[in-house]
Amino acid sequence: DAGVTQSPTHLIKTRGQQVTLRCSPKSGHDTVSWYQQALGQGPQFIFQYYEEEERQRGNFPDRFSGHQFPNYSSELNVNALLLGDSALYLCASSLLQQGYEQYFGPGTRLTVT
Amino acid sequence: QQQVKQSPQSLIVQKGGISIINCAYENTAFDYFPWYQQFPGKGPALLIAIRPDVSEKKEGRFTISFNKSAKQFSLHIMDSQPGDSATYFCAASRLGNDMRFGAGTRLTVKP
Repeated sequence: DAGVTQSPTHLIKTRGQQVTLRCSPKSGHDTVSWYQQALGQGPQFIFQYYEEEERQRGNFPDRFSGHQFPNYSSELNVNALLLGDSALYLCASSLLQQGYEQYFGPGTRLTVT
Repeated sequence: QQQVKQSPQSLIVQKGGISIINCAYENTAFDYFPWYQQFPGKGPALLIAIRPDVSEKKEGRFTISFNKSAKQFSLHIMDSQPGDSATYFCAASRLGNDMRFGAGTRLTVKP
């Protein structure tokens, strides 16, 4: 049973560029949430996707956008990268109608220079 | 945005001892309280979780104690082992939606 997978593992971008991160949820899950984890801090909720729609959003600017595909996989896009966007980006999947448990992937380490 | 306060920031315990990490929340609408374990370079792994209708939940060496009136919950790790050395995060959410995480506790278990 495949867990949550994310790609790429690491990424280095320059300030002002755009980046796309990808996530495949755990088999059988239909909901994907994205979190940003700065070094030494707890994860911060960015947004959640269900049925290809953004159903909740945290306190992040519009530079952060996402998408969910019919196979439940998801992308996180960040435009006009800032140095402060350097972080570990985590994807978590869950089954919306059957419990609250969210399972995290290994994350993508984004470094903005 | 922080609605969950976690303490201590770091904890050192001898092998075989009890590790205790505490969290306090503000939003009384929260109805799900998980604990996650994170090793360096890895994503958080769900350890154990509790709903507010029970005061305690035990799974193996891990126990959550929950005090609804005080809006506090804690993680107890019995018989702590060096392999338990990791960062632990408490979290809270409503209806399994956006989870609010504590700042984390770095646990070191000395052999």
